[in-house]
Amino acid sequence: GAGVSQTPSNKVTEKGKYVELRCDPISGHTALYWYRQSLGQGPEFLIYFQGTGAADDSGLPNDRFFAVRPEGSVSTLKIQRTERGDSAVYLCASSSNSGVSEAFFGQGTRLTVV
Amino acid sequence: GEDVEQSLFLSVREGDSSVINCTYTDSSSTYLYWYKQEPGAGLQLLTYIFSNMDMKQDQRLTVLLNKKDKHLSLRIADTQTGDSAIYFCAERKAAGNKLTFGGGTRVLVKP
Repeated sequence: GAGVSQTPSNKVTEKGKYVELRCDPISGHTALYWYRQSLGQGPEFLIYFQGTGAADDSGLPNDRFFAVRPEGSVSTLKIQRTERGDSAVYLCASSSNSGVSEAFFGQGTRLTVV
Repeated sequence: GEDVEQSLFLSVREGDSSVINCTYTDSSSTYLYWYKQEPGAGLQLLTYIFSNMDMKQDQRLTVLLNKKDKHLSLRIADTQTGDSAIYFCAERKAAGNKLTFGGGTRVLVKP
């Protein structure tokens, strides 16, 4: 695809359930980022991948959150034992390298925990 | 993020100039960015400035950086109704690749 694709676009889940959010970056982009945007706030950094490895996971709020990028392309953000406070829009971005080159954002996955 | 602050709202008449302000706290920031977010859309990078620059102009957009005061502004000339959106400033620190975003300024352009 031409841009960063995130699926699903919307996800409603019950408190305590496990969810997976998927990000397809732009082909060839080595850097991939996950951010979380709560209502009325700016995006907050979660994790950054360079290739297959997590170069910086300092933004993950707790051990219920985990992300993988096994082949250096598609990434999955996994949330265990979801809580109502996890409700937010989860944004993925990719860029061609770790420099200042533009990070292209996907449209996000809106997660609602009921 | 608490390191980057923006005013919440700006109302401007079509054809006037808009100025959106941002303050940041980390003097080691290397790059500063302006993003635009429209309803239901992802974040769109508008422009960025290196920390060793004072000003950058790109068509209708002018970015001013006062590094001493850690103040960044975005001026939009001849504001159009299509400019109505939420604008985020973001900083990138010297160490690392993550961006720290402000809370966003909602700009409403009135005809």
